[in-house]
Amino acid sequence: GDSVTQMEGPVTLSEEAFLTINCTYTATGYPSLFWYVQYPGEGLQLLLKATKADDKGSNKGFEATYRKETTSFHLEKGSVQVSDSAVYFCALESGGYQKVTFGTGTKLQVIP
Amino acid sequence: DAEITQSPRHKITETGRQVTLACHQTWNHNNMFWYRQDLGHGLRLIHYSYGVQDTNKGEVSDGYSVSRSNTEDLPLTLESAASSQTSVYFCASSESRDTEAFFGQGTRLTVV
Repeated sequence: GDSVTQMEGPVTLSEEAFLTINCTYTATGYPSLFWYVQYPGEGLQLLLKATKADDKGSNKGFEATYRKETTSFHLEKGSVQVSDSAVYFCALESGGYQKVTFGTGTKLQVIP
Repeated sequence: DAEITQSPRHKITETGRQVTLACHQTWNHNNMFWYRQDLGHGLRLIHYSYGVQDTNKGEVSDGYSVSRSNTEDLPLTLESAASSQTSVYFCASSESRDTEAFFGQGTRLTVV
């Protein structure tokens, strides 16, 4: 079945550091890929998405590129802020099905 | 503004009791989902629905049931609550394939 694997957290970075959170997936067909963010005490919010190979999703300075050859969708940001502290979930939606499979989440803590 | 709301936000119940968690969305979305969030597991799909009178089992459906009598609501029932069902529960809805899923703020359920 479908699965998503994320790097283990927590990840602790200093403000203005470069962020990479790795995500790889296994799926049949051509899934759509998503990054969701969960701030403390809240539900998940969509951060960015890509629906086909080589697409780049971007939002709020975050980027991720859909790499079919490596089945990856790594999240990057050039300069993190304290306000980026949250849990980040990589997710996929399989072709033909309208449900989403999530990774285990990666907690990011940014310190001043 | 359209939204998705869950109630209650917090609940404590005893082992063996029946519990129902409410989810209501005002987007008129056809797709609705219930997830549970546990440390080390991320979000796992419990049940989902593609429309009125449609319900489907997810990967962790044992001990849970849902019904979809209208577009707006997908209540989740724990038939006989167990301590293993202590978790944070999230409801979500989406319009169609490849579109963003909108999440409620979650219900923290404790079974004692």
